[in-house]
Amino acid sequence: ILNVEQSPQSLHVQEGDSTNFTCSFPSSNFYALHWYRWETAKSPEALFVMTLNGDEKKKGRISATLNTKEGYSYLYIKGSQPEDSATYLCAPGGKTSYDKVIFGPGTSLSVIP
Amino acid sequence: ETGVTQTPRHLVMGMTNKKSLKCEQHLGHNAMYWYKQSAKKPLELMFVYSLEERVENNSVPSRFSPECPNSSHLFLHLHTLQPEDSALYLCASSQYSGRSTDTQYFGPGTRLTVL
Repeated sequence: ILNVEQSPQSLHVQEGDSTNFTCSFPSSNFYALHWYRWETAKSPEALFVMTLNGDEKKKGRISATLNTKEGYSYLYIKGSQPEDSATYLCAPGGKTSYDKVIFGPGTSLSVIP
Repeated sequence: ETGVTQTPRHLVMGMTNKKSLKCEQHLGHNAMYWYKQSAKKPLELMFVYSLEERVENNSVPSRFSPECPNSSHLFLHLHTLQPEDSALYLCASSQYSGRSTDTQYFGPGTRLTVL
């Protein structure tokens, strides 16, 4: 069973600030990691899936990196906008491709105009 | 729109009621999931169906009974629930049978309140 931690729990930034947060997982039991964005009153939406150590994915102003050896992933948002306000969930999956993902508790981001 | 719909969006029920939650996916996926999110807790996987067969049941109490009549529809039948079962229930689907690399597509959820 994966123990997934995300930090910080919540974050308030000014519009235009760049920010980043962390997802930690046991490196000994890893196959893939997902990032999802969950806006209030909407459905969680997939951002990235990463599998390889050193992977870096980018989608607009949002990017993510993966370190499977030390068991963490960073999500970066450049020049935060109010529409980036959401909870960001990471979900690492287990040791084989047939293990299910486990969702972390999320980081709640509020971008103040 | 994610291609996954859930009804109802809100449900209030007494402990002796029987109700059902419905999920429908229009993505042609083979796997469907039920998750529960209680206040201040991470998403918890309840059930996984792959090609209409249940492949995962995470020690969920029997008062929750899933049904998957075909690969597009998933139900969660509720009976004799407790107030602590009040939560947001999310449905999701993925293309393949629940592999850890599969992206999941979520519905908007049903907010359940048990009185």
